[in-house]
Amino acid sequence: ILNVEQSPQSLHVQEGDSTNFTCSFPSSNFYALHWYRWETAKSPEALFVMTLNGDEKKKGRISATLNTKEGYSYLYIKGSQPEDSATYLCAFNNNAGNMLTFGGGTRLMVKP
Amino acid sequence: KAGVTQTPRYLIKTRGQQVTLSCSPISGHRSVSWYQQTPGQGLQFLFEYFSETQRNKGNFPGRFSGRQFSNSRSEMNVSTLELGDSALYLCASSLGLTLTGRNTEAFFGQGTRLTVV
Repeated sequence: ILNVEQSPQSLHVQEGDSTNFTCSFPSSNFYALHWYRWETAKSPEALFVMTLNGDEKKKGRISATLNTKEGYSYLYIKGSQPEDSATYLCAFNNNAGNMLTFGGGTRLMVKP
Repeated sequence: KAGVTQTPRYLIKTRGQQVTLSCSPISGHRSVSWYQQTPGQGLQFLFEYFSETQRNKGNFPGRFSGRQFSNSRSEMNVSTLELGDSALYLCASSLGLTLTGRNTEAFFGQGTRLTVV
């Protein structure tokens, strides 16, 4: 059984604050690490797919880093906005198929 | 470009019945995966189909089955429903692999909310 852990489980921040979450995953048989954002009543939306150790990806105010040797990834949000409120999920992939093992998610709430 | 379409959106079934859920992937996507989301367990992988073949399978009982058609549309079937099968079932489609052999992102449908009474 693959263990993918996310912390914290939930986070309340003020608008304008910067924040970050952690995803830890098995360091063996790594193939890819995905980040998704899931807003209430919508579908999960892909943010990043990361495959190389040391990878850093950025999309607007959101960025992510990857350390496959130690088995962790960080997601950063700079200057949080209320529309960033969502559950952020990481998912580990250990083979060439598309079987994703998801963490429990970090629920972010940004207060105006 | 149309997104991933799941039907029906909501379903109520009685214990012991069987149910079939449908997923139409994004045009051109050959990989379709199914996930179950329950409050206590989060998103759990059920199975993945690629070019009509089951490529990966999660840790679910044999009551859960699926198939994929030549147009990449997929169906998921649950037989002899139990109360614990009440969940949101999500389908995700992706291209499969890039030319360099790397995974591509998954695009999710809005899900089918199944309630077993």
